[in-house]
Amino acid sequence: DTGVSQDPRHKITKRGQNVTFRCDPISEHNRLYWYRQTLGQGPEFLTYFQNEAQLEKSRLLSDRFSAERPKGSFSTLEIQRTEQGDSAMYLCASSSTRDFSYEQYFGPGTRLTVT
Amino acid sequence: AQKVTQAQTEISVVEKEDVTLDCVYETRDTTYYLFWYKQPPSGELVFLIRRNSFDEQNEISGRYSWNFQKSTSSFNFTITASQVVDSAVYFCALSGSGNTGKLIFGQGTTLQVKP
Repeated sequence: DTGVSQDPRHKITKRGQNVTFRCDPISEHNRLYWYRQTLGQGPEFLTYFQNEAQLEKSRLLSDRFSAERPKGSFSTLEIQRTEQGDSAMYLCASSSTRDFSYEQYFGPGTRLTVT
Repeated sequence: AQKVTQAQTEISVVEKEDVTLDCVYETRDTTYYLFWYKQPPSGELVFLIRRNSFDEQNEISGRYSWNFQKSTSSFNFTITASQVVDSAVYFCALSGSGNTGKLIFGQGTTLQVKP
């Protein structure tokens, strides 16, 4: 079991540019979550997928944000026209509903800096 | 609305001292889950424990113990004989009965254990 992986680990971009992050969950996990964590705060829920279906989106997720999980495997999170306020750590987590554990396993995160 | 409050922003102790991290939660759900995660300086969130709302038994795992009290809506975490490696940010989180599994995190408590 290789755990949850995220790519890239760090991203520096200029305001107005688009960025895309990738998350590879634990292979047998059917749920995948995206969270955002700013400095000194706890992670905040953005959205989640069960298999390939996106079942809930937070109101934190503006129209500039879009997430996909084609084929129910890896997921991508795209931010269009980045703003300085988007600077944060973006965390991905996965879990399985099959064992009713509800334990989410987190990846190392992608740290985004918008200049 | 669901909410998790960790009133202690930072705690500093000397190695071998016992330390308790407080967590108070709010929810209207009758079925819910409570979690503790550790975030070491490397940044990756590490799962520590999950408790469901019907199980108020205290749990001990090595130097770690958890006290769940529904009457006071608290889920406190105690580290006995703290070690320098325990230095990290600790998050308490809540997941409600809506079956989404999404986590509502507190703001975290930074624990510094000095040698």
